[in-house]
Amino acid sequence: DAGITQSPRHKVTETGTPVTLRCHQTENHRYMYWYRQDPGHGLRLIHYSYGVKDTDKGEVSDGYSVSRSKTEDFLLTLESATSSQTSVYFCAISESPPANEQYFGPGTRLTVT
Amino acid sequence: DQQVKQNSPSLSVQEGRISILNCDYTNSMFDYFLWYKKYPAEGPTFLISISSIKDKNEDGRFTVFLNKSAKHLSLHIVPSQPGDSAVYFCAASALGGTSYGKLTFGQGTILTVHP
Repeated sequence: DAGITQSPRHKVTETGTPVTLRCHQTENHRYMYWYRQDPGHGLRLIHYSYGVKDTDKGEVSDGYSVSRSKTEDFLLTLESATSSQTSVYFCAISESPPANEQYFGPGTRLTVT
Repeated sequence: DQQVKQNSPSLSVQEGRISILNCDYTNSMFDYFLWYKKYPAEGPTFLISISSIKDKNEDGRFTVFLNKSAKHLSLHIVPSQPGDSAVYFCAASALGGTSYGKLTFGQGTILTVHP
């Protein structure tokens, strides 16, 4: 199994508060991704990174920001959490496209009340 | 606009029989396709992939078929086992363009294999 951890694994927070989720990898892979999984939508890309300090938006990036200051860590921040951001968040890593076989972390279940 | 669609939310199969999961796509730039399997409370795990230069790829009990003209792919599991019960996602990517380096996922199909 690829060495990917996510923290926290579960979090309950209140509307309007900032939240940061952390993804840590030990594989030294260049690409890192944040997805959210919701019923009926599958996995949707929020943001991704193609190198340290190099990030780009995915299809559902509004309300989220990311940072990657070193290869192994990719942080996802909800600037002001809303109930619509209640979801399960997955981090993934990839050595390089074009094969694009991404390896996923165990997920973080976030509930915004 | 859902570029990758799995139109069957669920599929129920008897142990030992074949499971066929289907996936359709609309973006003609997609040229690499993957299937992922997901158990509850775990992250998705990579199962099998296929490049657009092939129409079939086999790995043990799992075979993926690609029909480029129909923009359709399917995953066959033979024989199905109860441990195959999971959510299956198909995904697509492109070697170039705006989809480079990114996967687009379908909504998923819940497979239940009954003993």
